[in-house]
Amino acid sequence: NAGVTQTPKFRILKIGQSMTLQCTQDMNHNYMYWYRQDPGMGLKLIYYSVGAGITDKGEVPNGYNVSRSTTEDFPLRLELAAPSQTSVYFCASRKGETGNTIYFGEGSWLTVV
Amino acid sequence: AQSVTQLGSHVSVSEGALVLLRCNYSSSVPPYLFWYVQYPNQGLQLLLKYTTGATLVKGINGFEAEFKKSETSFHLTKPSAHMSDAAEYFCAVSEYNTDKLIFGTGTRLQVFP
Repeated sequence: NAGVTQTPKFRILKIGQSMTLQCTQDMNHNYMYWYRQDPGMGLKLIYYSVGAGITDKGEVPNGYNVSRSTTEDFPLRLELAAPSQTSVYFCASRKGETGNTIYFGEGSWLTVV
Repeated sequence: AQSVTQLGSHVSVSEGALVLLRCNYSSSVPPYLFWYVQYPNQGLQLLLKYTTGATLVKGINGFEAEFKKSETSFHLTKPSAHMSDAAEYFCAVSEYNTDKLIFGTGTRLQVFP
C-alpha cells in the first residue's frame, strides 16, 4: 500500500550544493508532478511528466531539473541550491484523464543555509 | 489561463458550528474542481471533486461542495465542525484535457471547543 514515496523527508543543504529528491510510485500512473509549498502561497507546480521520457515545465521551474526514465520514478534535481529553494516539496501522480484524483507523497522538507 | 482564489487565509469556528470555506475559479472552459485537505506535516488528501453531472458533491468526513457555474464558485461546507477538522484546505482547478492541476493559496481552519 505504498502509493507515492518521497525521500529524503528532511534535508539541510548549504548554498551552492546540489541534491536529488527521489520520488517513486507503484500505482502505474502515467502522470507525475513536483510541487513546492511555501507558507501562504499554496502549491506551485515545478515540473510535470505525462509519461516516461516526457517532461515539461510548470509555473516555477528555474533552478530545478527532472528526468523520467521509467514510469515509476520522477526525481527532482536541485543544482546550485539557493536560500529561495527552502521549501516543502511534494511529488504526486495521477492515472489517465484530467478528472482523475492526484495522489500526493508525504513531502520533503528542504532547508538551504 | 486558469486560476483559483480562496478568500480568507484563516477561518476560525466553534465546534459544532457551520464550516464555510470559499473558492472561486477562473477558467475559459468547463473546469474540473477539487478540494484537498492537509493535516500538519502530511501530504494532501482528496476531500471531494467535481467533474461532470450533479453540481452538489459529497466528500469524506461530512464535507460537501457545490459547483455554481454562474458564480464561478466551488465553496466547501460542513454543517457541524469537529475538532479533528482543523487543517489546511486547498481548492484546485484543472481544465478539461489539460495536464496540470492549479492550486489556490489555501485556508487554514481552526476549530475551538
